[in-house]
Amino acid sequence: GAVVSQHPSWVICKSGTSVKIECRSLDFQATTMFWYRQFPKQSLMLMATSNEGSKATYEQGVEKDKFLINHASLTLSTLTVTSAHPEDSSFYICSAKVDRSRNSPLHFGNGTRLTVT
Amino acid sequence: GENVEQHPSTLSVQEGDSAVIKCTYSDSASNYFPWYKQELGKRPQLIIDIRSNVGEKKDQRIAVTLNKTAKHFSLHITETQPEDSAVYFCAASMGYESHSGYSTLTFGKGTMLLVSP
Repeated sequence: GAVVSQHPSWVICKSGTSVKIECRSLDFQATTMFWYRQFPKQSLMLMATSNEGSKATYEQGVEKDKFLINHASLTLSTLTVTSAHPEDSSFYICSAKVDRSRNSPLHFGNGTRLTVT
Repeated sequence: GENVEQHPSTLSVQEGDSAVIKCTYSDSASNYFPWYKQELGKRPQLIIDIRSNVGEKKDQRIAVTLNKTAKHFSLHITETQPEDSAVYFCAASMGYESHSGYSTLTFGKGTMLLVSP
């Protein structure tokens, strides 16, 4: 089956520093990947849609200058949390679809638990 | 945009009982409805999905029903087992295509299912 690899699985950083999270599709090409954020005991909230070779599409309320997304290849998308603050502490999960079909499932990475101290 | 409501937020059952989780959606153009199971600290995993041209789909102990007229769909788990304990999320496609050809999913808030031995 489709495998989405996300790294790191957890990270602790100091306030004001930046953190990069990688999302890779291991056995398929993903022209589009999706980044979600999940706070404890809450649902997954879409942050942005990452498009290979073009700018990401951000959801309303998500700061594009704070959450930098780069999708430089068909198998890799990165999310950089810049100038992280404690309120950015959350579970970040990427996902991708195997095919472009409108009705195909998302495959999720393992997620990255970010703690900002 | 799409809005997905999910009930109940928590559900406790005895092993062997059935469990039903219900979701409603607002966008009548939505036509894809997956269900994800998320164990604590892990990635959401697709357990079953249904498309709008089908009213019911079953996979062993899991079934999903869809009522397009009422815009609601439900997850049914029969003969529940302790390992079914997890958070379950319903989702609906937003019914539009992004410029890259993908449609995004809107998730419900989740249902924590607890199955007692």
